[in-house]
Amino acid sequence: DTAVSQTPKYLVTQMGNDKSIKCEQNLGHDTMYWYKQDSKKFLKIMFSYNNKELIINETVPNRFSPKSPDKAHLNLHINSLELGDSAVYFCASGRDGYEQYFGPGTRLTVT
Amino acid sequence: GQQVMQIPQYQHVQEGEDFTTYCNSSTTLSNIQWYKQRPGGHPVFLIQLVKSGEVKKQKRLTFQFGEAKKNSSLHITATQTTDVGTYFCAEENQGGKLIFGQGTELSVKP
Repeated sequence: DTAVSQTPKYLVTQMGNDKSIKCEQNLGHDTMYWYKQDSKKFLKIMFSYNNKELIINETVPNRFSPKSPDKAHLNLHINSLELGDSAVYFCASGRDGYEQYFGPGTRLTVT
Repeated sequence: GQQVMQIPQYQHVQEGEDFTTYCNSSTTLSNIQWYKQRPGGHPVFLIQLVKSGEVKKQKRLTFQFGEAKKNSSLHITATQTTDVGTYFCAEENQGGKLIFGQGTELSVKP
């Protein structure tokens, strides 16, 4: 069974559209994260949720809105997509002070 | 702000050669984690170092945490083509946030 899963794996869309990425973990972790990896492979945290509560909210445009319906799911909704949003988005889960488990990633391409 | 500097950015080696990547921080780290990301893949946890001066080994990989807990290194002995990928160090701040280094991309020529 996949520990952290994300859908879709690839997402190609036009500027101005709204899209969502879904993430689910079956590891029983309380904390889930969203990361953005740019073309230079730099990994930067965007959001963190602990037991459905927003813990970390980095300087991210408010077009990005995470939603956690329960502690096993953390979805990312992006409004009014821009060219600069093109990147690979990784979901992860873990416990504070311990390692994080990453999903396979969603490659978003905005044209 | 909090930052982890990782060098080199790229390293090309012949198979069988050794490889080392370094991470440095201006602040004392509570712990440091290392991840490997294969091409087209996702980061995978390798190890966590917590104690000052700690050294841990995983087969051909040796991880070190500096005495002052401000730097760390990952050394691979006798690289193989399966070692190809990007290696990241990451520090965890008190808020539980992982701050990643820029990564070192390793390519191995057979």
